[in-house]
Amino acid sequence: GQNIDQPTEMTATEGAIVQINCTYQTSGFNGLFWYQQHAGEAPTFLSYNVLDGLEEKGRFSSFLSRSKGYSYLLLKELQMKDSASYLCAVRAHQAGTALIFGKGTTLSVSS
Amino acid sequence: EADIYQTPRYLVIGTGKKITLECSQTMGHDKMYWYQQDPGMELHLIHYSYGVNSTEKGDLSSESTVSRIRTEHFPLTLESARPSHTSQYLCASRTGTGGRDTQYFGPGTRLTVL
Repeated sequence: GQNIDQPTEMTATEGAIVQINCTYQTSGFNGLFWYQQHAGEAPTFLSYNVLDGLEEKGRFSSFLSRSKGYSYLLLKELQMKDSASYLCAVRAHQAGTALIFGKGTTLSVSS
Repeated sequence: EADIYQTPRYLVIGTGKKITLECSQTMGHDKMYWYQQDPGMELHLIHYSYGVNSTEKGDLSSESTVSRIRTEHFPLTLESARPSHTSQYLCASRTGTGGRDTQYFGPGTRLTVL
């Protein structure tokens, strides 16, 4: 089976940097995704990692260590609009290679 | 921008009614998925499909059924809705041709059963 853990809530201020951690246990690992979800809306894709290391995309970066079953999402120069839930998801070989999601981390950005 | 659509966006119905939630995508994706998400909770996979005439149940037990007669269409049906079915239902799709291909989500249907 799969198990994905991430903190429930985090708070930060505008302009700051925040790191959201995710640990996972899965069989047949086939990639790790980060999604952003605003309240009442559908998740939108942020990043993808399948090899160890850092992937950078603008203000967002994501890191993966497969041996440790660990990933983090780094958000820089925080803006108020970054207040949302951030979902860590793992793709496994089973279940139609669907993404299996963690509970998500609710990030609140204040001025 | 992902071309995946869900209707209706919001639905309020009484107990015992039969309902069908529609999901369509115009990207020619083979793999499609249904997730259920209660407010503030995680997404749970309830159904998936590899392609036409393929349907499988996901991790979360669900009383709903799905069909995949056409590539672009993956409707979800509840034969007799109950208050416990109140939730948000999210449809998603991907090409299925490689690990990096992104899973795109539709806007969701928020269902309330009275």
